[in-house]
Amino acid sequence: DAKTTQPPSMDCAEGRAANLPCNHSTISGNEYVYWYRQIHSQGPQYIIHGLKNNETNEMASLIITEDRKSSTLILPHATLRDTAVYYCIVRGFYGGSQGNLIFGKGTKLSVKP
Amino acid sequence: DGGITQSPKYLFRKEGQNVTLSCEQNLNHDAMYWYRQDPGQGLRLIYYSQIVNDFQKGDIAEGYSVSREKKESFPLTVTSAQKNPTAFYLCASSPGLAGANVLTFGAGSRLTVL
Repeated sequence: DAKTTQPPSMDCAEGRAANLPCNHSTISGNEYVYWYRQIHSQGPQYIIHGLKNNETNEMASLIITEDRKSSTLILPHATLRDTAVYYCIVRGFYGGSQGNLIFGKGTKLSVKP
Repeated sequence: DGGITQSPKYLFRKEGQNVTLSCEQNLNHDAMYWYRQDPGQGLRLIYYSQIVNDFQKGDIAEGYSVSREKKESFPLTVTSAQKNPTAFYLCASSPGLAGANVLTFGAGSRLTVL
């Protein structure tokens, strides 16, 4: 079972920031938070991941709360091409089955003109 | 460009037939994975491999088989024992299995059983 909880759907206006929340209240100290997205009928695309600190790359920012029980993915200026299903995933630090990605149903983000 | 190539993109199979899906990567990654996705659902892990000649069952391995004879190749065979094989199949690879290693996914193969 997925160890994360996400809203099933969200809307965002084009050009505005999209803030996608994720709850992972049972996360342990050696587990990463990963975000992927999937555009219809394509393979998932990696966005960002973090362990404890906030992270930023060219695609997005990841804000992790101090207690690590929740996080927010921020797309600073959403475009129509950002319409996709966004998956928040908790992934073990070590290899083997603990390090595998466990996907839930994600959040369907619709960016509207 | 480095990446993962899956083929075929679409495949139709009659009941009772085995079918093999190809996955090739030129990223020099040690670890490779196969996932299955059903409509409206997340991905579920079928098999994974940490290194050549080694592979492990994932959550839904029944009715599937894999081999890892070369570092760059990880084919998946969907056997007749798989009761509901119609699905979208995704291959992925990563430098290693540890949690800090990012998985890169292929474009997927859609299998339909007639």
